[in-house]
Amino acid sequence: AQSVTQLGSHVSVSEGALVLLRCNYSSSVPPYLFWYVQYPNQGLQLLLKYTSAATLVKGINGFEAEFKKSETSFHLTKPSAHMSDAAEYFCAVSEEVFQKLVFGTGTRLLVSP
Amino acid sequence: DSGVTQTPKHLITATGQRVTLRCSPRSGDLSVYWYQQSLDQGLQFLIQYYNGEERAKGNILERFSAQQFPDLHSELNLSSLELGDSALYFCASSLDGKVNEQFFGPGTRLTVL
Repeated sequence: AQSVTQLGSHVSVSEGALVLLRCNYSSSVPPYLFWYVQYPNQGLQLLLKYTSAATLVKGINGFEAEFKKSETSFHLTKPSAHMSDAAEYFCAVSEEVFQKLVFGTGTRLLVSP
Repeated sequence: DSGVTQTPKHLITATGQRVTLRCSPRSGDLSVYWYQQSLDQGLQFLIQYYNGEERAKGNILERFSAQQFPDLHSELNLSSLELGDSALYFCASSLDGKVNEQFFGPGTRLTVL
């Protein structure tokens, strides 16, 4: 069964610093991978998705993620953090396009001035 | 705004009671998903409907049930409520049941006292 591990329940960065949120997946077949963001008291918003096309995926708000099959990873990065990036980020996986999403436990990103 | 609406936004009730959460999918979307987000369990898939029929079931308790109506809105019924049912309940929708096109609503926060 597919699963996702997000390393670090909290990540703190300074404004302008690189953001790196880690996600490793387990899947018996080529997966579909997603990053979602949840702002306080809001629903989940799709940041980006990997669906077996380009391994480097660009998303909204300057985020991108690279699918690395050899490392079973799909880490999320942003070159320069903004205060508005402070939120909870969830990595999710699905083994088949018509299957459910399996979410990681989430990483809370804290951005300090 | 994802186009998915959920009512009510907040719900406070007592143990043993029954509540109904409502979800209206994006215009044209045929599939509805329900997820539960709690501190203990994280984000978990509950159930999926496609054009009125149940398509997939996840970690949904027997005390919980759902349905999708002919106008494609969906309701999640939670009965014999326990303290541990306190959580944020999300609805998501997709056009044709494909996970890579799933859009989430703002959620209903259920508090069981």
